[in-house]
Amino acid sequence: KQEVTQIPAALSVPEGENLVLNCSFTDSAIYNLQWFRQDPGKGLTSLLLIQSSQREQTSGRLNASLDKSSGRSTLYIAASQPGDSATYLCAVTPSSGYALNFGKGTSLLVTP
Amino acid sequence: SQTIHQWPATLVQPVGSPLSLECTVEGTSNPNLYWYRQAAGRGLQLLFYSVGIGQISSEVPQNLSASRPQDRQFILSSKKLLLSDSGFYLCAWSQGRGDEKLFFGSGTQLSVL
Repeated sequence: KQEVTQIPAALSVPEGENLVLNCSFTDSAIYNLQWFRQDPGKGLTSLLLIQSSQREQTSGRLNASLDKSSGRSTLYIAASQPGDSATYLCAVTPSSGYALNFGKGTSLLVTP
Repeated sequence: SQTIHQWPATLVQPVGSPLSLECTVEGTSNPNLYWYRQAAGRGLQLLFYSVGIGQISSEVPQNLSASRPQDRQFILSSKKLLLSDSGFYLCAWSQGRGDEKLFFGSGTQLSVL
């Protein structure tokens, strides 16, 4: 059974810092990996999707990498801002089936 | 552009009462539709998914059911709610099996008392 783990569970950084969020998964047979952002009491917003054949994806200040063989992904946020405060979740799509496996998320607080 | 609507935003229901949550998608055709539940301190759990009208797959046995009466409408139901049904319910859609991003609705916070 696929298990997705996100470390750390919570993170507090001052504004302007670069930071890295980690995601690991136990089964490397994945179709893709997605990073999402969730604000309190809201739905999830897709940030980046990395296909299993890709190594990284970039969008603005966000960069996500994928090392499928080692079962790891990182989300790099450059020059963090208070507006980046949210919970970040990663999810892997299995090679077969529809059930994305989500991690429990990293709660990020960026202080002014 | 595509949009997803989910309602109501919050719901408080007594134990044993029925439930109906509705989700509709606009701006696309034949989407894959999903119902997820997010319980406090736990990850998102896929409850149901649908790849077409009338086609429902259940990921976990439970007190809930889902229906897809129209191409872009997905309904989550229960005949009798349990306390354990409390949680944050999210509808989502994607275009294709896992090769496109997953787009979520704004969620329904359900409290069963």
